[in-house]
Amino acid sequence: DIQMTQSPSTLSASVGDRVTITCRASQSISDWLAWYQQKPGQAPKLLIYKASGLESGVPSRFSGSGSGTEFTLTITSLQPDDFATYYCQQYSSYSTFGQGTKVEIK
Amino acid sequence: QVRLQESGPGVVRPSETLSLTCTVSGGSVSGYYWSWLRQSPWRGLEWIGYIYYTGYTNYNPSLKSRVAISEDTSKNQFSLKLSSVTAADTAIYYCATGELLHDTWGPGIMVTVSS
Repeated sequence: DIQMTQSPSTLSASVGDRVTITCRASQSISDWLAWYQQKPGQAPKLLIYKASGLESGVPSRFSGSGSGTEFTLTITSLQPDDFATYYCQQYSSYSTFGQGTKVEIK
Repeated sequence: QVRLQESGPGVVRPSETLSLTCTVSGGSVSGYYWSWLRQSPWRGLEWIGYIYYTGYTNYNPSLKSRVAISEDTSKNQFSLKLSSVTAADTAIYYCATGELLHDTWGPGIMVTVSS
């Protein structure tokens, strides 16, 4: 199994802040990495695919980067709607998710 | 725009088989991949498996011995069966589009394994 580790587990930030979340894979996954946003009581929503591809309809303040084993999700100017939990997912070999990063209001 | 809706019992007894159905609207099950995932506080988000409209399936190796995914094109539905359930299978179950990358999800259904 490929293990995915996210950091931090919780992040406190204010509206307008630049936020970065890191995801590390236990082995190289090339760029087969996605990011999802999940709000309480809702299903996850796809934000980023293939490490840096922006899903249709997702605001451009979201961006992804990385390859191999280290990846980042960046939100350039945090908006009130962005307070949520974010998950990375590798789909290089089957599929596994990170444990999540909760972005909360500071 | 494709919409998905899970349905099935909210409670399943230990050792029995969990059975869920996903109804697809706004599109056809034919020609696409369809997946099941689940989420619990102890296991996080977990991919269970997928089916292609040809009937080809692929399952998470950790669940493979207990899982079966099938489809009914006449009803525009696909289904999940998970056998020999235990309390550890208590989770929110989601159906979703795609084999491993999921751009559309159902709202999820909470399934509790309890006697």
